Amino acid sequence: EAQVTQNPRYLITVTGKKLTVTCSQNMNHEYMSWYRQDPGLGLRQIYYSMNVEVTDKGDVPEGYKVSRKEKRNFPLILESPSPNQTSLYFCASRAWTGAEGGYTFGSGTRLTVV
Amino acid sequence: QKEVEQNSGPLSVPEGAIASLNCTYSDRGSQSFFWYRQYSGKSPELIMSIYSNGDKEDGRFTAQLNKASQYVSLLIRDSQPSDSATYLCAADPRANNNDMRFGAGTRLTVKP
Repeated sequence: EAQVTQNPRYLITVTGKKLTVTCSQNMNHEYMSWYRQDPGLGLRQIYYSMNVEVTDKGDVPEGYKVSRKEKRNFPLILESPSPNQTSLYFCASRAWTGAEGGYTFGSGTRLTVV
Repeated sequence: QKEVEQNSGPLSVPEGAIASLNCTYSDRGSQSFFWYRQYSGKSPELIMSIYSNGDKEDGRFTAQLNKASQYVSLLIRDSQPSDSATYLCAADPRANNNDMRFGAGTRLTVKP
């Protein structure tokens, strides 16, 4: 089944404790992206990657890191989480060309930083 | 100016009516346009894509694109309570390596 898999689904952590949210896709997509979604603010892009070793900042990159060492994986790293990073996070992937160029989203990770 | 703008709603329609959702975009270089449906607490789900001016129909859904007016719309015919969700519009510039831009979404409620 074609899908984007992100883990964990739920995470509660404490301020300052480094964490990684994993994301993997099995569709051989070139583009991958991370979004956060907060009530009333819609989807805000954190980082995106156009291919292996190519990443770029989105709208809200502060406090986050990413890496794209393999085409299928795009982990999101919070080096020192803070309460304002409490949010619902989505990973997504899409093909660069072709008729179906929209993003396919993972199921989401609900992060709470206390 | 936001790159992709939608009326946040809520938009309320009775069951069986046509729901009309609208979206405007600012980047004239945008080539592809997408509509996503998102139920509360769930991930966005792609329901329609459109690339050429005119209408594209898929079941009860019709996407309309007018590049001259920089306007995209989604019509939902015979609306059902299960259509109640937030609908996100997205525009893909595909130029200068810029990535897809999402609107903030329109919340639709279909009342039985």
